[in-house]
Amino acid sequence: ELKVEQNPLFLSMQEGKNYTIYCNYSTTSDRLYWYRQDPGKSLESLFVLLSNGAVKQEGRLMASLDTKARLSTLHITAAVHDLSATYFCAVASSYNTDKLIFGTGTRLQVFP
Amino acid sequence: EAGVAQSPRYKIIEKRQSVAFWCNPISGHATLYWYQQILGQGPKLLIQFQNNGVVDDSQLPKDRFSAERLKGVDSTLKIQPAKLEDSAVYLCASSLAMTYEQYFGPGTRLTVT
Repeated sequence: ELKVEQNPLFLSMQEGKNYTIYCNYSTTSDRLYWYRQDPGKSLESLFVLLSNGAVKQEGRLMASLDTKARLSTLHITAAVHDLSATYFCAVASSYNTDKLIFGTGTRLQVFP
Repeated sequence: EAGVAQSPRYKIIEKRQSVAFWCNPISGHATLYWYQQILGQGPKLLIQFQNNGVVDDSQLPKDRFSAERLKGVDSTLKIQPAKLEDSAVYLCASSLAMTYEQYFGPGTRLTVT
């Protein structure tokens, strides 16, 4: 059974600092997603990573995928308050690639 | 392009009552998903439709939950009877066939008292 773990669960960071969120998963998969969720809102897609070594960047966020280590990272550069949200990684099941297994989320708070 | 629509946005019911949620996916999207998101957790897939056929309902509590997508477009998710542990946000998502991206609706927040 595919399990997805994120750490940390909570992250409070100062504006301007850098930090990394980690996503580990338990079985083989070649597709990993990162989503953002604001309080009371739905999920917003950030990145889809499709192959080993994939790296994608958008603004202050950069995501990478290492399928051999079953690890993805979401790196935050020079954090700003607007990045405060909950970030989820989700991994596609190997037997049904449309079925996403979500991690528990990382709640990020950026303060001045 | 209009996004995934869901209604109602909020619903409060007592345990043992019934409730139904409605989802209208993005036009042309053949695949539709219902997720349950309990507070503090990530979404969990309940059921996946491809057109009007069920692809995966392995995590749907079939003794109380049912879902249908009769014409391959709109979908309804029903809970009968509701339990306290059904309190959650129910998210609908849709995607084009054979593509990677799932688009999520705003969700329905259900509170069971």
